[in-house]
Amino acid sequence: GAGVSQSPRYKVTKRGQDVALRCDPISGHVSLYWYRQALGQGPEFLTYFNYEAQQDKSGLPNDRFSAERPEGSISTLTIQRTEQRDSAMYRCASSLDVPSSGANVLTFGAGSRLTVL
Amino acid sequence: GEDVEQSLFLSVREGDSSVINCTYTDSSSTYLYWYKQEPGAGLQLLTYIFSNMDMKQDQRLTVLLNKKDKHLSLRIADTQTGDSAIYFCAETLVFSGGYNKLIFGAGTRLAVHP
Repeated sequence: GAGVSQSPRYKVTKRGQDVALRCDPISGHVSLYWYRQALGQGPEFLTYFNYEAQQDKSGLPNDRFSAERPEGSISTLTIQRTEQRDSAMYRCASSLDVPSSGANVLTFGAGSRLTVL
Repeated sequence: GEDVEQSLFLSVREGDSSVINCTYTDSSSTYLYWYKQEPGAGLQLLTYIFSNMDMKQDQRLTVLLNKKDKHLSLRIADTQTGDSAIYFCAETLVFSGGYNKLIFGAGTRLAVHP
């Protein structure tokens, strides 16, 4: 597609429920990142995919958070047994290449705002 | 450690220049970035600078890098109301696995008033 698409844009859920957030990156983009942005803060790295391989998941806060990108395109971030502290904007970004020494130009989606009651 | 710091708020008069400052910690950062976030929108890349450069100019935007002090600034000339947004500075963390990731500051909210 023309840009990075995320769905749903808004999700309100009750504490203890599971949620799945979807990211559809720009077609052909190799790298995919998930970030979390709390109100008044900058984006915080969660995880990185190189095609379908989850190369870095060091930013996932705990084992309730998981992500997958099974076919190297669409990615899903899943949060199990949600807690109020999970409320944030979840942002997906993609880039054309595997960023090594060159500039890493990320294109961000509009985000999925999660509210846990 | 990895930490990017920015002042949280800046208010300027329309037509004046704005200067947004940022300090970072990773001296091995290869590229440093400025992103802009408008309400309801994703982060938009404004510009970036390679770490061996001191300055980069792009129309109304000027980026200055002081690598010794790990200080980055973004100057917007002739600031307009449409420039009102949150501006994020980001440094690059490079990993031996052949990838890198961006570490963002908390953002500077720029308010432009008449």
